[in-house]
Amino acid sequence: GDSVTQMEGPVTLSEEAFLTINCTYTATGYPSLFWYVQYPGEGLQLLLKATKADDKGSNKGFEATYRKETTSFHLEKGSVQVSDSAVYFCALSDPSGSRLTFGEGTQLTVNP
Amino acid sequence: DAGITQSPRHKVTETGTPVTLRCHQTENHRYMYWYRQDPGHGLRLIHYSYGVKDTDKGEVSDGYSVSRSKTEDFLLTLESATSSQTSVYFCAISSSADTQYFGPGTRLTVL
Repeated sequence: GDSVTQMEGPVTLSEEAFLTINCTYTATGYPSLFWYVQYPGEGLQLLLKATKADDKGSNKGFEATYRKETTSFHLEKGSVQVSDSAVYFCALSDPSGSRLTFGEGTQLTVNP
Repeated sequence: DAGITQSPRHKVTETGTPVTLRCHQTENHRYMYWYRQDPGHGLRLIHYSYGVKDTDKGEVSDGYSVSRSKTEDFLLTLESATSSQTSVYFCAISSSADTQYFGPGTRLTVL
């Protein structure tokens, strides 16, 4: 079945550091790929998505590129802020698009 | 933000009691989902709905049932709550069966 593997957390960075959170997937067909973010005490919010190979999703300074050859969708940001502290989830859709499979989440803490 | 509310937001109950959680949307989206979030497991799909009276099981459906009699409401019922069902429950909605939008969550504690 479909699965998503994220790098283990927690990740702790200083403000303005470069961020990478690795995400690899196993899926049939060509799923859409997503990054969601969860701030403390809140629900998940869509951060970015990509629907086909080589697409780059971007939002709020975060980027991720759909790499079919390496089955990866790594999240990057050039300069993190304290306000980026949250849990980040990578996810993929099933072929029908009706269901999402999530990774376990990566806790990011950014210190001033 | 997508118009999704969940009620109650917090609930403490005892083992063996029935519990119903409600998800309400104002977006008229076709798809609705119930997930549970537990440490080390990310989000796991319990049940989902692709229309009024049309529902299907997710990966962790045992012990849960759902109903959707109106487009805007999706109910999750624990017929007889157990301590293993202590969790945070999230509802999500989608119009295109692709991008999902999440509610604020319900924290359920079963003693």
